[in-house]
Amino acid sequence: EPEVTQTPSHQVTQMGQEVILRCVPISNHLYFYWYRQILGQKVEFLVSFYNNEISEKSEIFDDQFSVERPDGSNFTLKIRSTKLEDSAMYFCASSGQGISTDTQYFGPGTRLTVL
Amino acid sequence: GQQLNQSPQSMFIQEGEDVSMNCTSSSIFNTWLWYKQDPGEGPVLLIALYKAGELTSNGRLTAQFGITRKDSFLNISASIPSDVGIYFCAGLRSYGKLTFGQGTILTVHP
Repeated sequence: EPEVTQTPSHQVTQMGQEVILRCVPISNHLYFYWYRQILGQKVEFLVSFYNNEISEKSEIFDDQFSVERPDGSNFTLKIRSTKLEDSAMYFCASSGQGISTDTQYFGPGTRLTVL
Repeated sequence: GQQLNQSPQSMFIQEGEDVSMNCTSSSIFNTWLWYKQDPGEGPVLLIALYKAGELTSNGRLTAQFGITRKDSFLNISASIPSDVGIYFCAGLRSYGKLTFGQGTILTVHP
């Protein structure tokens, strides 16, 4: 069964450093998303991406964040200068077309720890 | 912003019992999704609901999309130990932004 994959599974970085989180969405999906989950809290929307453009972003997704689909398979989230409060699980999700556009499948996540 | 109120926050049940959890909102959603999350892993889709009034089953799981489009419930029948985890409802209005509930932590005692 197709699935969303993410790398790395765990990233440790120093405050102020740049990180890039990588995702490979399900191959025939057209819509891509990033969410984050701070430990013990609910999952929060960051950004949605379609047709090489951001469709919607939350207030969390400020100028320090960017997304890119550099090729036909990868979808990345970059945090330019990490802060302590960026420590969280980051989940990539993807969805297909038609009614399936609403059905988002999540990857296993990247645990980001900012020291 | 849109808020989903999910209840109960936690449940402790015996194996074999039925479970019910629900989500309510002051806003209308066009789609309701139910996910299960195990510790350290990503949410796994259980059931998707696309129309008001829709009742959908997936094995021992049954979920309904409320007529008002502001609520949904998930039932698990005859619980087993592997049902342990955190269950999240999520509502979708538009543009792919899922709004998640706070989660229901389910513990099943053998």
